[in-house]
Amino acid sequence: KAGVTQTPRYLIKTRGQQVTLSCSPISGHRSVSWYQQTPGQGLQFLFEYFSETQRNKGNFPGRFSGRQFSNSRSEMNVSTLELGDSALYLCASSLAESVNYGYTFGSGTRLTVV
Amino acid sequence: GEDVEQSLFLSVREGDSSVINCTYTDSSSTYLYWYKQEPGAGLQLLTYIFSNMDMKQDQRLTVLLNKKDKHLSLRIADTQTGDSAIYFCAENRLGDYKLSFGAGTTVTVRA
Repeated sequence: KAGVTQTPRYLIKTRGQQVTLSCSPISGHRSVSWYQQTPGQGLQFLFEYFSETQRNKGNFPGRFSGRQFSNSRSEMNVSTLELGDSALYLCASSLAESVNYGYTFGSGTRLTVV
Repeated sequence: GEDVEQSLFLSVREGDSSVINCTYTDSSSTYLYWYKQEPGAGLQLLTYIFSNMDMKQDQRLTVLLNKKDKHLSLRIADTQTGDSAIYFCAENRLGDYKLSFGAGTTVTVRA
């Protein structure tokens, strides 16, 4: 059974550019969530989607957005990149509709903003 | 408090037991998790415990939950060098659809 797949694994972008990250959940998983990991702030929740609906959003500026497609694949977009957006972005998928007792994470996308 | 709290570092001798502690925030939390992260990798789910349980054992891992004190611990028996990693405690609050993580405990296993 394939795990959570995130592409690309590594990205280098310039300040002011925008970036799109992709996440394919485990087959059958309908919940996809995104997290940002930095040395200073640790793991911070970005947003969660279930059946194409955003159910929760973290405390990030509007430059961070996401969406989920009908096949449960998800993308997140960061516009007008800042140096502080450099981070490991992790995607997690889950089977359950309500209580999520098993979040499976992908290997992440390492974004470097220069 | 607002944050899930963990001690930052733990050094343990190979073959000994490791105990990692965590204090979580919300008594309505439904599930509590332990994740492991190795260098350059994502998060690996080690185990989880439902909030109405006191203990869960899974091979070398034992999770203890004290709901009154909102305290969670992970014991790793017979710690091996492959257990060197960062361990994160996380809680899933009722209706939140997200995980709230601690800062992570870096476990170093010495020979």
